[in-house]
Amino acid sequence: RKEVEQDPGPFNVPEGATVAFNCTYSNSASQSFFWYRQDCRKEPKLLMSVYSSGNEDGRFTAQLNRASQYISLLIRDSKLSDSATYLCVVNGRGGSQGNLIFGKGTKLSVKP
Amino acid sequence: EPEVTQTPSHQVTQMGQEVILRCVPISNHLYFYWYRQILGQKVEFLVSFYNNEISEKSEIFDDQFSVERPDGSNFTLKIRSTKLEDSAMYFCASRVENTGELFFGEGSRLTVL
Repeated sequence: RKEVEQDPGPFNVPEGATVAFNCTYSNSASQSFFWYRQDCRKEPKLLMSVYSSGNEDGRFTAQLNRASQYISLLIRDSKLSDSATYLCVVNGRGGSQGNLIFGKGTKLSVKP
Repeated sequence: EPEVTQTPSHQVTQMGQEVILRCVPISNHLYFYWYRQILGQKVEFLVSFYNNEISEKSEIFDDQFSVERPDGSNFTLKIRSTKLEDSAMYFCASRVENTGELFFGEGSRLTVL
């Protein structure tokens, strides 16, 4: 099983749509979870951390299910500027420390 | 806003040549990393560095690779004898603690011919 697995997409959605991305991770001891965003040929940038209780930042909502080792990201009212690749990221070692392991990413394209 | 800076932005080299990629992490950060991303592939961990020594490295980080923090600001990645498959974008990253947000530089694109 891959360490961090994501649906590669692409997801092609119209402006204003709601879109959900899923991610699964293999290391049950991981405790740090993130969603990063990567624009084409650019560096990854943190979108949001993912907390056990779920968290929301404006139009973005992240959820974590430890029992299923599953992370999700929901984007509401999508904008053209949301077009990017969304990377699911998990720490590699047990606990919350250690290097970060990246999924391959899910590509989102928002159309007018 | 403080940022991680990397040089060069793009380097083209011949197979077998040595390459040094340079990074200046954010000044109050203590943990430093190198990642790479082959075109169309995922971001892969290479090495982490703390307190002037390697704290963790991946299988990719073999004897051809080395890292150094020669002074208080620079953090370098050296590839001794480049191979075609080393062609990738190399990202330097840093963070304050060993948890939390990782800040990436804009990357150094390496092309090995």
